[in-house]
Amino acid sequence: AQTVTQSQPEMSVQEAETVTLSCTYDTSESDYYLFWYKQPPSRQMILVIRQEAYKQQNATENRFSVNFQKAAKSFSLKISDSQLGDAAMYFCAYRSMDSNYQLIWGAGTKLIIKP
Amino acid sequence: NAGVTQTPKFRVLKTGQSMTLLCAQDMNHEYMYWYRQDPGMGLRLIHYSVGEGTTAKGEVPDGYNVSRLKKQNFLLGLESAAPSQTSVYFCASSNRDRPPHYYGYTFGSGTRLTVV
Repeated sequence: AQTVTQSQPEMSVQEAETVTLSCTYDTSESDYYLFWYKQPPSRQMILVIRQEAYKQQNATENRFSVNFQKAAKSFSLKISDSQLGDAAMYFCAYRSMDSNYQLIWGAGTKLIIKP
Repeated sequence: NAGVTQTPKFRVLKTGQSMTLLCAQDMNHEYMYWYRQDPGMGLRLIHYSVGEGTTAKGEVPDGYNVSRLKKQNFLLGLESAAPSQTSVYFCASSNRDRPPHYYGYTFGSGTRLTVV
């Protein structure tokens, strides 16, 4: 069975600086998808970025980018120019290639932005 | 665009009481899911449905039942609530025809349930 591990329960960063959140996963599959979700205090789960395992190029969405290391089974999220609105819980998730599209979630990292 | 709507948003139950959480989506999605979120544990899948009239167990199904009588609705029932079911419950949906790696899931805003 697949597992997702986020080893940083909490991270803090100064506003306008860069922060990297770590995620590792365990799988025997070769094709899969990885996601980062953001959960602000409003509780709403918001998709931040996604990565297809068959793509070597790291995904980027504006200030958010990932460092996908398939061999190491690592999927870290980099947030550049951190803003106060980035403060939230961040969850890493894995999706297998089976037919029911279930996601497997990490425990989350709480990101604090210092003004 | 309503997306995924969960009702109620908050609820307090006494041990042994029953209740139903409603999830409604207006995106014609095939797949729907119920998760619970507890501190330090991320999201855990309770039950899911891959289409109208079908349901399946997830990681933590005990104490819950579900029904998907209509494609747009996915109900989560607690027949006899226990304090261990105190949690935040999320419903999510995804589209079969356009794989969710395009959009991930669409989540509701959650229901905070407290069982005393």
